[in-house]
Amino acid sequence: QKEVEQDPGPLSVPEGAIVSLNCTYSNSAFQYFMWYRQYSRKGPELLMYTYSSGNKEDGRFTAQVDKSSKYISLFIRDSQPSDSATYLCAMSVPRAGGSYIPTFGRGTSLIVHP
Amino acid sequence: NAGVTQTPKFQVLKTGQSMTLQCAQDMNHEYMSWYRQDPGMGLRLIHYSVGAGITDQGEVPNGYNVSRSTTEDFPLRLLSAAPSQTSVYFCASSYSWGVGPSGANVLTFGAGSRLTVL
Repeated sequence: QKEVEQDPGPLSVPEGAIVSLNCTYSNSAFQYFMWYRQYSRKGPELLMYTYSSGNKEDGRFTAQVDKSSKYISLFIRDSQPSDSATYLCAMSVPRAGGSYIPTFGRGTSLIVHP
Repeated sequence: NAGVTQTPKFQVLKTGQSMTLQCAQDMNHEYMSWYRQDPGMGLRLIHYSVGAGITDQGEVPNGYNVSRSTTEDFPLRLLSAAPSQTSVYFCASSYSWGVGPSGANVLTFGAGSRLTVL
C-alpha cells in the first residue's frame, strides 16, 4: 500500500460545478499537507498548503484536513474550464536531520467542460 | 527571475548512451531535487540535495547520479540509459528543506525534460 492514495480519475464535471478532490494516507505522522496543480506538459505549481487539521480557504479553493480519518480534500467552487488540470496532493513529515521531503499522490485529472 | 530552468526539454537516447539533464535555479534555494513522472505512478523522488556538497538518494535512485558543487546547479546524470528510464523528469527546489515562511519544503518545479530511450 502506498503511503498516499489518490484516485487518478479522470473526473469530468460541467462548468460551475463544485469539485471535490481527495487523498487518503497511512502515515499518521504527516504534518504538512499541500495541493499542487499541474497543467498539461507543465511542471506542478503549489496551489495551497495547510498545517494540521482544519480548513483553509483561498478564493474558490478550500483545503480540508481530517487527521483523525487520515483524509484530505480540495474543494473547487464554481469550477471553470481553466481549472482543467491534474491535481496532486502531497504531504510531509520531518525526517532525520529535520528535512521535510514531500510524498506525492498519483494525481487526479480534472476536466471541466463548458 | 527565471526560477527553475531545465535543459534539454526533449531528448532521445539509444540504450546504453549516457547524458546529463541540467537544472539551474536563481532563487538562492537551499534544497534541490529530481523527480520522474510516469503515467499512473505520480512523482517519484530520484535524488535530492539539502545544500552544496550534500546529496542523498530518494525512492528510485538506481541508474542515476547527482552532484551539487554550487547552490544554483543540480545536474542529473544517466550513466547507461535503459528503456525503463523513458519518462518526464522534473527538477524542483525550495528555499528551505525545513519549515519556511510558506510551509514545509514548498517546491518550485521546472517545466520538465521529456526523455525517450530507444
